[in-house]
Amino acid sequence: GAVVSQHPSWVICKSGTSVKIECRSLDFQATTMFWYRQFPKQSLMLMATSNEGSKATYEQGVEKDKFLINHASLTLSTLTVTSAHPEDSSFYICSARDIGQGATEAFFGQGTRLTVV
Amino acid sequence: AQSVTQLDSQVPVFEEAPVELRCNYSSSVSVYLFWYVQYPNQGLQLLLKYLSGSTLVKGINGFEAEFNKSQTSFHLRKPSVHISDTAEYFCAVSAWGGSQGNLIFGKGTKLSVKP
Repeated sequence: GAVVSQHPSWVICKSGTSVKIECRSLDFQATTMFWYRQFPKQSLMLMATSNEGSKATYEQGVEKDKFLINHASLTLSTLTVTSAHPEDSSFYICSARDIGQGATEAFFGQGTRLTVV
Repeated sequence: AQSVTQLDSQVPVFEEAPVELRCNYSSSVSVYLFWYVQYPNQGLQLLLKYLSGSTLVKGINGFEAEFNKSQTSFHLRKPSVHISDTAEYFCAVSAWGGSQGNLIFGKGTKLSVKP
């Protein structure tokens, strides 16, 4: 299957700083990427849908100014957690659709473990 | 809108025993159905998917699932599990249709295979 690379796989940052997470589709083009957040022992909650060349669509309850999403190309979307606080600590996962495959399947990155201290 | 219910949060089973992980969904439109596996601190790997056609879908690692429209179910099965199957399993639905679509996940089922 197609490969989605997410970087970094883990990061520890100080409270008040910003952290950028990258999501890349390595061998296909993705017009749409999705960002999920997963709390311990819970399911994945969709945070936002990232569209190449346009603004992201955020789910209800997700702060747009805190979780900045940029989808500048067909192979790269970034999530920036601004002014991070300990409650932002979580596992963040991205996924991307392969438009060449008729977009019936989304491929997932390996996730990023964010710890804010 | 779609929703997914995974009826069991945890399923303990002995090695080489059969297992079934249950998944029911709700949707007012046609859906695509997926099962994903997640190992600790990793992303999700697709096990199998149902898009259309045969209701019995075979996936990787010996898993299979059967789509039952009347019961709105998509249960995952494996006839003989291994220790390496210990992981979290997520059922998901999407209604791609003409919209961009996204995956709606169940809460997950933790499969623990014991020797």
